[in-house]
Amino acid sequence: AQRVTQPEKLLSVFKGAPVELKCNYSYSGSPELFWYVQYSRQRLQLLLRHISRESIKGFTADLNKGETSFHLKKPFAQEEDSAMYYCAPSPGGSNYKLTFGKGTLLTVNP
Amino acid sequence: ETGVTQSPTHLIKTRGQQVTLRCSSQSGHNTVSWYQQALGQGPQFIFQYYREEENGRGNFPPRFSGLQFPNYSSELNVNALELDDSALYLCASSPGGAGVPSTDTQYFGPGTRLTVL
Repeated sequence: AQRVTQPEKLLSVFKGAPVELKCNYSYSGSPELFWYVQYSRQRLQLLLRHISRESIKGFTADLNKGETSFHLKKPFAQEEDSAMYYCAPSPGGSNYKLTFGKGTLLTVNP
Repeated sequence: ETGVTQSPTHLIKTRGQQVTLRCSSQSGHNTVSWYQQALGQGPQFIFQYYREEENGRGNFPPRFSGLQFPNYSSELNVNALELDDSALYLCASSPGGAGVPSTDTQYFGPGTRLTVL
Protein backbone atom coordinates (compact mmCIF):
# COMPACT_ATOMS: atom_id res chain seq x y z
CA ALA A 1 0.00 0.00 0.00
CA GLN A 2 1.16 3.52 -0.73
CA ARG A 3 1.99 5.34 2.44
CA VAL A 4 3.59 8.65 3.38
CA THR A 5 4.79 9.41 6.89
CA GLN A 6 5.62 12.83 8.23
CA PRO A 7 6.57 11.97 11.80
CA GLU A 8 6.47 15.50 13.22
CA LYS A 9 3.06 17.11 13.43
CA LEU A 10 4.60 20.29 14.87
CA LEU A 11 8.10 21.71 14.53
CA SER A 12 9.30 24.89 16.16
CA VAL A 13 12.67 26.53 15.54
CA PHE A 14 14.24 29.92 16.01
CA LYS A 15 15.03 32.28 13.16
CA GLY A 16 18.42 31.50 11.67
CA ALA A 17 18.44 27.90 12.89
CA PRO A 18 18.58 24.97 10.48
CA VAL A 19 15.36 23.13 9.84
CA GLU A 20 14.63 19.64 8.58
CA LEU A 21 11.14 18.32 7.91
CA LYS A 22 11.10 14.57 7.62
CA CYS A 23 9.23 12.49 5.07
CA ASN A 24 9.32 8.74 4.63
CA TYR A 25 7.36 6.94 1.97
CA SER A 26 6.35 3.43 1.08
CA TYR A 27 5.58 3.30 -2.62
CA SER A 28 5.92 0.77 -5.41
CA GLY A 29 7.86 1.64 -8.53
CA SER A 30 9.71 4.92 -8.89
CA PRO A 31 7.49 7.66 -7.58
CA GLU A 32 7.95 11.32 -8.24
CA LEU A 33 8.26 13.30 -5.03
CA PHE A 34 6.92 16.71 -4.19
CA TRP A 35 6.76 19.08 -1.26
CA TYR A 36 3.71 21.34 -1.09
CA VAL A 37 3.34 24.28 1.29
CA GLN A 38 0.38 26.18 2.64
CA TYR A 39 1.02 29.58 4.17
CA SER A 40 -1.58 31.13 6.44
CA ARG A 41 -4.73 32.08 4.52
CA GLN A 42 -3.24 30.99 1.21
CA ARG A 43 -3.89 28.04 -1.03
CA LEU A 44 -1.77 24.94 -1.25
CA GLN A 45 1.15 25.47 -3.61
CA LEU A 46 4.14 23.56 -4.87
CA LEU A 47 7.39 24.20 -3.01
CA LEU A 48 9.62 21.83 -4.92
CA ARG A 49 9.78 18.53 -6.79
CA HIS A 50 12.79 16.26 -6.72
CA ILE A 51 13.03 15.83 -10.47
CA SER A 52 13.80 19.50 -11.00
CA ARG A 53 16.55 19.54 -8.39
CA GLU A 54 15.85 23.21 -7.76
CA SER A 55 16.30 25.12 -4.54
CA ILE A 56 13.19 27.13 -3.78
CA LYS A 57 13.22 29.81 -1.08
CA GLY A 58 16.40 28.22 0.20
CA PHE A 59 14.80 24.80 0.66
CA THR A 60 16.26 21.61 -0.77
CA ALA A 61 15.15 18.01 -0.55
CA ASP A 62 17.28 14.95 -1.07
CA LEU A 63 15.77 11.72 -2.26
CA ASN A 64 17.24 8.71 -0.49
CA LYS A 65 15.91 5.66 -2.28
CA GLY A 66 17.59 3.28 0.14
CA GLU A 67 15.84 4.79 3.15
CA THR A 68 12.81 5.81 1.06
CA SER A 69 13.04 9.30 2.48
CA PHE A 70 12.64 12.77 1.02
CA HIS A 71 13.47 15.15 3.84
CA LEU A 72 13.11 18.90 3.33
CA LYS A 73 15.94 21.10 4.59
CA LYS A 74 16.87 24.72 4.95
CA PRO A 75 20.11 25.89 6.58
CA PHE A 76 18.75 29.15 8.02
CA ALA A 77 15.04 29.37 8.77
CA GLN A 78 13.18 32.66 8.32
CA GLU A 79 9.98 33.79 10.03
CA GLU A 80 8.17 33.78 6.67
CA ASP A 81 8.84 30.04 6.40
CA SER A 82 6.18 29.43 9.04
CA ALA A 83 3.58 27.30 7.28
CA MET A 84 2.13 23.81 6.89
CA TYR A 85 4.33 21.53 4.79
CA TYR A 86 3.13 18.40 3.02
CA CYS A 87 5.21 15.67 1.47
CA ALA A 88 3.44 14.14 -1.55
CA PRO A 89 4.68 11.28 -3.72
CA SER A 90 3.02 10.53 -7.02
CA PRO A 91 3.13 7.32 -9.10
CA GLY A 92 4.37 9.20 -12.14
CA GLY A 93 3.77 8.21 -15.72
CA SER A 94 0.25 9.12 -16.81
CA ASN A 95 -1.10 9.02 -13.27
CA TYR A 96 -0.47 12.12 -11.25
CA LYS A 97 -2.45 11.33 -8.17
CA LEU A 98 -0.68 12.86 -5.19
CA THR A 99 -0.60 10.97 -1.90
CA PHE A 100 -0.24 13.57 0.83
CA GLY A 101 1.22 13.06 4.26
CA LYS A 102 -0.57 14.51 7.26
CA GLY A 103 1.69 17.55 7.18
CA THR A 104 4.11 19.29 9.51
CA LEU A 105 3.30 22.71 10.91
CA LEU A 106 6.54 24.67 11.03
CA THR A 107 6.77 27.69 13.29
CA VAL A 108 9.84 29.91 13.07
CA ASN A 109 10.16 32.08 16.15
CA PRO A 110 11.90 35.48 16.12
CA GLU B 1 -3.62 34.35 -16.18
CA THR B 2 -6.54 33.32 -13.97
CA GLY B 3 -5.85 30.73 -11.32
CA VAL B 4 -8.02 27.83 -10.23
CA THR B 5 -11.35 28.97 -8.83
CA GLN B 6 -13.91 26.99 -6.84
CA SER B 7 -17.49 27.61 -5.86
CA PRO B 8 -19.13 27.88 -3.49
CA THR B 9 -16.71 28.87 -0.73
CA HIS B 10 -18.77 27.33 2.04
CA LEU B 11 -21.74 25.00 2.03
CA ILE B 12 -23.92 23.48 4.73
CA LYS B 13 -26.01 20.40 3.97
CA THR B 14 -27.87 17.80 5.97
CA ARG B 15 -27.27 14.08 5.99
CA GLY B 16 -28.78 12.31 3.00
CA GLN B 17 -28.75 15.36 0.72
CA GLN B 18 -26.79 15.72 -2.48
CA VAL B 19 -24.20 18.40 -3.28
CA THR B 20 -22.40 19.70 -6.36
CA LEU B 21 -19.10 21.53 -6.13
CA ARG B 22 -17.59 23.42 -9.04
CA CYS B 23 -14.09 24.10 -10.24
CA SER B 24 -12.71 26.26 -13.05
CA SER B 25 -9.27 25.14 -14.11
CA GLN B 26 -6.42 27.49 -14.82
CA SER B 27 -6.26 28.75 -18.40
CA GLY B 28 -4.56 26.21 -20.66
CA HIS B 29 -4.96 23.30 -18.22
CA ASN B 30 -6.84 20.19 -19.32
CA THR B 31 -6.35 17.99 -16.27
CA VAL B 32 -8.36 18.41 -13.07
CA SER B 33 -7.96 16.48 -9.83
CA TRP B 34 -10.20 16.54 -6.77
CA TYR B 35 -9.05 16.02 -3.18
CA GLN B 36 -10.83 15.76 0.16
CA GLN B 37 -9.09 17.27 3.18
CA ALA B 38 -10.55 16.38 6.57
CA LEU B 39 -9.61 18.48 9.57
CA GLY B 40 -6.04 17.83 10.66
CA GLN B 41 -5.29 15.56 7.70
CA GLY B 42 -3.52 15.92 4.40
CA PRO B 43 -5.58 16.04 1.21
CA GLN B 44 -6.82 12.66 -0.06
CA PHE B 45 -7.14 11.98 -3.78
CA ILE B 46 -10.73 11.44 -4.98
CA PHE B 47 -10.32 11.29 -8.77
CA GLN B 48 -8.74 12.96 -11.75
CA TYR B 49 -10.23 14.03 -15.07
CA TYR B 50 -8.33 14.43 -18.31
CA ARG B 51 -10.08 15.67 -21.43
CA GLU B 52 -13.52 14.86 -19.99
CA GLU B 53 -12.64 11.27 -19.04
CA GLU B 54 -11.93 9.92 -15.56
CA ASN B 55 -8.23 9.07 -15.28
CA GLY B 56 -7.77 7.37 -11.96
CA ARG B 57 -9.79 7.20 -8.78
CA GLY B 58 -8.90 7.03 -5.11
CA ASN B 59 -10.55 4.98 -2.40
CA PHE B 60 -13.92 6.74 -2.42
CA PRO B 61 -17.37 5.13 -2.85
CA PRO B 62 -19.40 5.52 -6.06
CA ARG B 63 -21.60 8.18 -4.48
CA PHE B 64 -18.64 10.48 -5.22
CA SER B 65 -18.83 11.23 -8.93
CA GLY B 66 -17.51 13.86 -11.25
CA LEU B 67 -17.67 15.51 -14.62
CA GLN B 68 -15.35 17.49 -16.77
CA PHE B 69 -16.71 19.81 -19.42
CA PRO B 70 -15.31 20.74 -22.86
CA ASN B 71 -13.87 23.94 -21.39
CA TYR B 72 -12.10 21.70 -18.80
CA SER B 73 -14.04 23.03 -15.84
CA SER B 74 -15.22 20.28 -13.53
CA GLU B 75 -17.88 19.28 -11.02
CA LEU B 76 -17.74 17.01 -8.02
CA ASN B 77 -21.05 15.47 -7.00
CA VAL B 78 -21.66 13.70 -3.73
CA ASN B 79 -24.90 11.81 -3.15
CA ALA B 80 -26.42 10.61 0.11
CA LEU B 81 -24.20 12.84 2.22
CA GLU B 82 -22.81 11.45 5.45
CA LEU B 83 -21.46 13.29 8.46
CA ASP B 84 -17.93 12.12 7.61
CA ASP B 85 -18.14 13.93 4.27
CA SER B 86 -17.62 17.19 6.15
CA ALA B 87 -14.28 18.44 4.85
CA LEU B 88 -12.48 20.92 2.65
CA TYR B 89 -12.73 19.87 -1.00
CA LEU B 90 -9.82 20.93 -3.15
CA CYS B 91 -9.62 21.09 -6.90
CA ALA B 92 -6.27 21.17 -8.69
CA SER B 93 -5.54 21.68 -12.36
CA SER B 94 -2.42 21.00 -14.38
CA PRO B 95 -1.36 21.54 -17.98
CA GLY B 96 -1.67 18.44 -20.12
CA GLY B 97 0.16 17.22 -23.17
CA ALA B 98 -1.47 16.36 -26.44
CA GLY B 99 -1.91 12.70 -25.69
CA VAL B 100 -1.39 12.18 -21.98
CA PRO B 101 -2.53 13.81 -18.77
CA SER B 102 -0.31 16.35 -17.19
CA THR B 103 2.97 15.35 -15.69
CA ASP B 104 3.41 18.82 -14.32
CA THR B 105 2.75 20.68 -11.12
CA GLN B 106 -0.82 20.70 -9.82
CA TYR B 107 -2.22 24.15 -9.08
CA PHE B 108 -4.75 24.20 -6.29
CA GLY B 109 -7.88 26.22 -5.80
CA PRO B 110 -8.88 27.74 -2.47
CA GLY B 111 -11.28 24.91 -1.69
CA THR B 112 -14.94 24.52 -0.76
CA ARG B 113 -15.69 23.93 2.91
CA LEU B 114 -18.56 21.43 3.18
CA THR B 115 -20.33 20.91 6.49
CA VAL B 116 -22.81 18.04 6.81
CA LEU B 117 -25.20 18.24 9.76
